[in-house]
Formats: sequence, C-alpha cells, structure tokens
Amino acid sequence: NAGVTQTPKFRILKIGQSMTLQCAQDMNHNYMYWYRQDPGMGLKLIYYSVGAGITDKGEVPNGYNVSRSTTEDFPLRLELAAPSQTSVYFCASSTPGLAGGRVETQYFGPGTRLLVL
Amino acid sequence: AQKVTQAQTEISVVEKEDVTLDCVYETRDTTYYLFWYKQPPSGELVFLIRRNSFDEQNEISGRYSWNFQKSTSSFNFTITASQVVDSAVYFCALSEARGTASKLTFGTGTRLQVTL
Repeated sequence: NAGVTQTPKFRILKIGQSMTLQCAQDMNHNYMYWYRQDPGMGLKLIYYSVGAGITDKGEVPNGYNVSRSTTEDFPLRLELAAPSQTSVYFCASSTPGLAGGRVETQYFGPGTRLLVL
Repeated sequence: AQKVTQAQTEISVVEKEDVTLDCVYETRDTTYYLFWYKQPPSGELVFLIRRNSFDEQNEISGRYSWNFQKSTSSFNFTITASQVVDSAVYFCALSEARGTASKLTFGTGTRLQVTL
C-alpha cells in the first residue's frame, strides 16, 4: 500500500510550456484534491474530485485543468506555464464524508516542486 | 468565509522544553472540523489529529496534546519535552462540513526549531 504517489518530484519548465503532474492513490479513496503551497504560506485548494468523471474548482483554479477518468488517478494539467505557478504541488485523497456532514481526513502525497523560468 | 490564523511564524526552543503552537479560526458554520498537520524538512505532510466542532475534549497522544476551545475559536497544540525530531512546520487547517467534500483551509504554518 503506497498511499498517495506523485510524479515527478521536481521539474523546471520554461514560460509557456505545458506539463501534467501525476497523482495516484491505491487506498480506493473516492475523493481526491490538488493543492499548491507557495513559500511561507499554507496550502490552497486548486481542484478536487468526488469520483471518476466529477471535478470541481477550488480556491485557485486559474491556469490549471484536471480530469478524473479512474478512481486511482487525478492528473493536474498546466497548459501555459507562468512564473506565478512556481510552487510545490500536493495531491491528497480521502474517503467520502457521510451524510450529516462528517468530514474524513485527507492524506497527502510527497509533493511535486515546480519551477517556471 | 473561513479563515485560520497561526500568528507565530517561527518558534525556537531548546530540547526538552514545552512549546505551544497557537491556532485561531473563523467560520460561520456550526459544524466543522479542525486538523493539525506536520511538514518535516523532507517536505511531506503528515496528519496528526482531526477534531469535530462538537467534541471539545482535550486530546493527548504521547508528548502531543491539543486544547480545543470553541469559546475562543482556538485549537492549540502543545509538545511536551520537545525533541530535535519535532523540528518542522506545523499547519492548522479547518474544513466546513457541508455535503461530503472536505475542502481544507490552511493557516500559514508555524516553523518550530528545536535545538540541543
């Protein structure tokens, strides 16, 4: 049981290039999330998904796209990289909450450090 | 809108000292969840605790303890007899409990440095 895995660990992009950050989980979690962490800051939610084929925007979705074709994978796409997207990206997953508002714990991957020059 | 404030940017202590990390939150919801995560120098995020708004009991886990006070909207974290391995950035986070998706709002973190 590897938990949440992310690839690559580190990447340098040139302005205008595109790339996909990969995220996979083997815990059979329905919910998956993408966050970014800027230096000295907390994490901010980019996108999340409550199941295959269902995604929704978080707090900072501009410049990113996501898809969820399987329960296990939740890739994050940067189409036109900009210096403002230099950050550490974290993927997380959780089991669904229950009716009545129970919230489950999110478990995080190791992160992908992205530098856009 | 939800907000989490960790006013202590950085704390330095000598090993074996006790240290308390403060967390103050804002929410309009009556049902919510609070979390603490640890981010060691290696960079990953490690889950420490989850607490719902209806459970104000303090919790102790080894050298770690948490004090939840709804009256002051605080969820403070105390490390007793700190060790060098406790050196990390600690994040407090808040999640509303609407529907079933848990969207975490994080504080800016407190960097704890424990020295010999």
